[in-house]
Amino acid sequence: ETGVTQTPRHLVMGMTNKKSLKCEQHLGHNAMYWYKQSAKKPLELMFVYNFKEQTENNSVPSRFSPECPNSSHLFLHLHTLQPEDSALYLCASSPTPGDTQYFGPGTRLTVL
Amino acid sequence: KNEVEQSPQNLTAQEGEFITINCSYSVGISALHWLQQHPGGGIVSLFMLSSGKKKHGRLIATINIQEKHSSLHITASHPRDSAVYICAVRAYSGAGSYQLTFGKGTKLSVIP
Repeated sequence: ETGVTQTPRHLVMGMTNKKSLKCEQHLGHNAMYWYKQSAKKPLELMFVYNFKEQTENNSVPSRFSPECPNSSHLFLHLHTLQPEDSALYLCASSPTPGDTQYFGPGTRLTVL
Repeated sequence: KNEVEQSPQNLTAQEGEFITINCSYSVGISALHWLQQHPGGGIVSLFMLSSGKKKHGRLIATINIQEKHSSLHITASHPRDSAVYICAVRAYSGAGSYQLTFGKGTKLSVIP
C-alpha cells in the first residue's frame, strides 16, 4: 500500500467554490506538511503539523485552511481561491519535522 | 536564512553519459536531501546525508560540509533518469526546531 495518499488527484474549481484536499499516511509518522508547487517555481512549504498541532504557517492566505484531526490525516480546505492559486499541492509526512519526508502524488488544482 | 542554489538549472545528456548536479547552501546544516520529481509530480527521496558519500545503484551523492556543497552523480545515464532533481537542506531554526529549505531544482533530460 502506498505510504502517502492524496485525493483527489485532479480538481477544477471556480473562484466561488469550496473544496477540500485530503492527505492520508500509513507510515506512523508524526509530522505532516502541505506544499504548493507552481509552474517553474521551487517547492513552497505552506503548513507543518507535528502531533496534530500546527507548528508552521508560512504566510499563507486565509483562503487556505488546514485541518489535522489526527497524525494520519491532513486536510486543506479551499474557499474563494484565485486563478493564481492553480498549482500542484503536495502532502508529505516524516517521523519528526526535519527528517526525510515521504511525498504523496499531489493534487493538480486548477482555479477558473 | 539559508539560501540553496542548484546548478545547472537545466541539463540535457546523451544516454550513457556521466551526470553531475550541484547544490550549494549558505549556512551550516545538519543534513542534506536529494529528491527526484518525475513528470506528473511524484516526488521520491533519494538520499539523506550529513557527511561523506552515499551510493545507491547508479546514483552517488557526496557532501563537503566545510565547503557547504553537495553533488549528485548519475553514472551510465538512461532516459528513465529524466526528472527534476531537488536539493533540500535541514538546518536548525531556533527554539529546538529544524527547517527544510529547498532549491529550485535541476531539470534533467536524457536523450536515447
